Amino acid sequence: RKEVEQDPGPFNVPEGATVAFNCTYSNSASQSFFWYRQDCRKEPKLLMSVYSSGNEDGRFTAQLNRASQYISLLIRDSKLSDSATYLCVVNPVGGNKLVFGAGTILRVKS
Amino acid sequence: DVKVTQSSRYLVKRTGEKVFLECVQDMDHENMFWYRQDPGLGLRLIYFSYDVKMKEKGDIPEGYSVSREKKERFSLILESASTNQTSMYLCASSLVASGSDTGELFFGEGSRLTVL
Repeated sequence: RKEVEQDPGPFNVPEGATVAFNCTYSNSASQSFFWYRQDCRKEPKLLMSVYSSGNEDGRFTAQLNRASQYISLLIRDSKLSDSATYLCVVNPVGGNKLVFGAGTILRVKS
Repeated sequence: DVKVTQSSRYLVKRTGEKVFLECVQDMDHENMFWYRQDPGLGLRLIYFSYDVKMKEKGDIPEGYSVSREKKERFSLILESASTNQTSMYLCASSLVASGSDTGELFFGEGSRLTVL
């Protein structure tokens, strides 16, 4: 079983739609969680950290469910510019060793 | 803005050649990283460094070595390139430990290496 698993997609949604991605992780002791975004042929960039209480940044909401060992990303009112690969990232042991999921592809169409 | 610069965007090398990938960051970050990214596998950590002359193995260090002689520069070395090292290589830096809540990773644009 992979340490971090994501549905690869692609998720094809119309503009204005709400879309949600889940990501599961295997190490119950994992300490911190992130979503990174990677545009086509570009480098990954931090989208948001995921806190135990959940957090929201504009149209983006991230949630953590420790009991079921998954994190989620909800995007409301999707824009064409949201088209990208979304990488789920987990820190299982603290320090500098992050584990990246393989990513979920989102395509927003007009 | 933080800038992480990788010396080569595209390289083509032959099996057995020695390959150097250079990375420079301009924000005085303590931590620097080398990842490789392959389809379906995500980013995998090769090596990282938390200080000058310090290095630690990541998850897939075999076949690679690194050098950090100056704080701003972190080099990845393939002593004898093999075809299974064909990949996208991404360098990153962070001010604090990347796993901390504020440990944002800043990536370079990547170096696509093809080994024939």
